[in-house]
Amino acid sequence: SQKIEQNSEALNIQEGKTATLTCNYTNYSPAYLQWYRQDPGRGPVFLLLIRENEKEKRKERLKVTFDTTLKQSLFHITASQPADSATYLCALDGENSNSGYALNFGKGTSLLVTP
Amino acid sequence: NAGVMQNPRHLVRRRGQEARLRCSPMKGHSHVYWYRQLPEEGLKFMVYLQKENIIDESGMPKERFSAEFPKEGPSILRIQQVVRGDSAAYFCASSPQGVNEKLFFGSGTQLSVL
Repeated sequence: SQKIEQNSEALNIQEGKTATLTCNYTNYSPAYLQWYRQDPGRGPVFLLLIRENEKEKRKERLKVTFDTTLKQSLFHITASQPADSATYLCALDGENSNSGYALNFGKGTSLLVTP
Repeated sequence: NAGVMQNPRHLVRRRGQEARLRCSPMKGHSHVYWYRQLPEEGLKFMVYLQKENIIDESGMPKERFSAEFPKEGPSILRIQQVVRGDSAAYFCASSPQGVNEKLFFGSGTQLSVL
């Protein structure tokens, strides 16, 4: 069956360190992968999109890698700040997705950055 | 430049009643998606609509749930004869051109069934 797996345990790191979150998937052949941030009681907010032919993408303090051989994406936040504390969701689509049209999301990983 | 607007923010219904959730997409967006999120669960796709058309409803329960996106007005997710298991956060998202794009989400409607 198709799965999108993210670390279920919360990630606690100290301010200023780099946070690394993992997204693994099985039985998907995604054309792209997206990362979203979700705060409690709010809807997800888009952060980055990386396509299957891209290895890495950066946006300010954010970096995403995409390894279609390992079926894995890594999401890095450098120089983390307490304001980065949130749940981060991985989402992907592809011809083998449950829906041919919609993004499918992982359960997310909670990040807590302490001062 | 308003974002995706969902209302109501919170909705309380008794078992057997109907719930109507509304979503106004961002200006210029003609593609709407509905997702459901249960506690400790991920976002689950329900339905994808364009103006006046249902494109993909593969995530919708077969009974009691329906969605529409009329030519004029917001998209509506309708749940008839609600049961306690329908309690969840329902999120609407929109995009300008459909698939392979980032989604813009609303703040969601929290449905509580008593």
